[in-house]
Amino acid sequence: GAVVSQHPSRVICKSGTSVKIECRSLDFQATTMFWYRQFPKQSLMLMATSNEGSKATYEQGVEKDKFLINHASLTLSTLTVTSAHPEDSSFYICSASGALGTDTQYFGPGTRLTVL
Amino acid sequence: AQRVTQPEKLLSVFKGAPVELKCNYSYSGSPELFWYVQYSRQRLQLLLRHISRESIKGFTADLNKGETSFHLKKPFAQEEDSAMYYCALSDQAAGNKLTFGGGTRVLVKP
Repeated sequence: GAVVSQHPSRVICKSGTSVKIECRSLDFQATTMFWYRQFPKQSLMLMATSNEGSKATYEQGVEKDKFLINHASLTLSTLTVTSAHPEDSSFYICSASGALGTDTQYFGPGTRLTVL
Repeated sequence: AQRVTQPEKLLSVFKGAPVELKCNYSYSGSPELFWYVQYSRQRLQLLLRHISRESIKGFTADLNKGETSFHLKKPFAQEEDSAMYYCALSDQAAGNKLTFGGGTRVLVKP
């Protein structure tokens, strides 16, 4: 149980385009979803926290207009990287909590974004 | 602000030897700490959390509030323990968001 999926697993796009990444909790209702960014050989950095039906809370230094987060249901959150640039290339990971009534975060497999 | 420090980027041990991964934290409240593991080409997964006080795959970790540490230990490392290990602290006052340490890569040699 407590499986989180992400789609796509990898995406390559041209500079200036927008990319949407989906995060789904497959077998539980996620009260909260989190979005992280991981650069090569570095740790995970939290970008934002989202609760179903409310606006996401962004960490300091993360542009909310650049990284649009929508949490429309208890099983789906999306991250849209708008007007992507090469410096946005990274590994994006989501997690979800709420399984079995706990706050444990369960992680998705990640999405590798490459912006040309 | 909370901070998690893992001073060792790489730990290399022989199979059967003990292994200890260090984790120190700074947090003004009552901390909730976790160890996550990431095996090669797999997602991050929870290894253990301090409140459960259980041993998973032979690993244990004790919260020492006096030393603000949560070191991970295993008495006899196995080759399948080779992975990336992250210590994380949950900020209960901020929706349980996690702050991760920099990670320690463990390599268990045969």
